[in-house]
Amino acid sequence: RKEVEQDPGPFNVPEGATVAFNCTYSNSASQSFFWYRQDCRKEPKLLMSVYSSGNEDGRFTAQLNRASQYISLLIRDSKLSDSATYLCVVTSREYGNKLVFGAGTILRVKS
Amino acid sequence: DTAVSQTPKYLVTQMGNDKSIKCEQNLGHDTMYWYKQDSKKFLKIMFSYNNKELIINETVPNRFSPKSPDKAHLNLHINSLELGDSAVYFCASRSQDHSNQPQHFGDGTRLSIL
Repeated sequence: RKEVEQDPGPFNVPEGATVAFNCTYSNSASQSFFWYRQDCRKEPKLLMSVYSSGNEDGRFTAQLNRASQYISLLIRDSKLSDSATYLCVVTSREYGNKLVFGAGTILRVKS
Repeated sequence: DTAVSQTPKYLVTQMGNDKSIKCEQNLGHDTMYWYKQDSKKFLKIMFSYNNKELIINETVPNRFSPKSPDKAHLNLHINSLELGDSAVYFCASRSQDHSNQPQHFGDGTRLSIL
């Protein structure tokens, strides 16, 4: 089983749609969680950290469910510029705090 | 001001050659990383250094040798390049003291082996 698993997509949605991605992780000792965004042929960039109580940043909402070991990302009112690959990232002190990346979920927002 | 900078951005070379990629960060971070992202887009950690000391060494051929002259630099030397080494190599850094801190990535080095 992969340490971090994501549905690769692609998710094809119209502008203005709401879309949600899930990510599951295998290590119950994982401590920190992030969503990164990667545009084609560019470096990954932090989108948002994921906190235990859930957190929101504008149109983006992240949730963490430790019991079920999954993380979610909700994007409301999708824009064309949201088209990218979204990477779920998990760290664990057990593994030297290294970041473990999921393979990414591709989002395509179309007009 | 570039936080994490890698050079070169593009590297095209022949099989069997030896090449180096350089990385520098001006964020004052203690920890630096090298990642490989292949054609399947999966981002995989190769090495991690904390204050010039190797702390993570994933299963990487010993043709790959990282070198950290100081905590702001982490270079990657690759001997006897093979076709399978073609990928994008990303350098990243993070403040090790805080596991809830994200990593900052360089722009990537696109390595193509002919």
